[in-house]
Amino acid sequence: RKEVEQDPGPFNVPEGATVAFNCTYSNSASQSFFWYRQDCRKEPKLLMSVYSSGNEDGRFTAQLNRASQYISLLIRDSKLSDSATYLCVVNPNYSSGSARQLTFGSGTQLTVLP
Amino acid sequence: SAVISQKPSRDICQRGTSLTIQCQVDSQVTMMFWYRQQPGQSLTLIATANQGSEATYESGFVIDKFPISRPNLTFSTLTVSNMSPEDSSIYLCSVVGVGDSYEQYFGPGTRLTVT
Repeated sequence: RKEVEQDPGPFNVPEGATVAFNCTYSNSASQSFFWYRQDCRKEPKLLMSVYSSGNEDGRFTAQLNRASQYISLLIRDSKLSDSATYLCVVNPNYSSGSARQLTFGSGTQLTVLP
Repeated sequence: SAVISQKPSRDICQRGTSLTIQCQVDSQVTMMFWYRQQPGQSLTLIATANQGSEATYESGFVIDKFPISRPNLTFSTLTVSNMSPEDSSIYLCSVVGVGDSYEQYFGPGTRLTVT
């Protein structure tokens, strides 16, 4: 089993749609969680961190379920500019000294269609 | 966040040669890392660049192949040695510890093609 698993995608949705991505992690001791987006031929950029029961930033909502070891990302009112690959990232230890264990999911590709 | 630059942004190299990639951050950071992203794949951590001491390598990566330097808190280099076509990849520098944040930021990457 992979340490971090994501929906395989790709997701093709019309502009204005709501889309949700799921991510599961295998290490129950994991402490911090992130969603990154990566545009084609660009570096990953932090979209949002996910803390405790989740958080919201504009059209984006991230949720964490520790009991099920599950993270989700919800995008409302999709824009063309949301087209990218979304990476689920898990760090088993909140301390910066353990960043070697930072694990990336394989990513979910989203295309928002006009 | 930090502003991270990498040089070169891309290169095409011949088999058997070596390439050194530079990573510069505009502020002091706690930790610096080097990742590899092969075509169509997600990111794989190569090593943690430790200031003033030897880098800490992940399983499958060795110092002879990927020597790393980190002379100070804002700069690091990664060398890809004795390159083969399998080393063709994007190499990304990453930092943690800008201010009080534990969030991780990435440089723009170096796209390496080995012929």
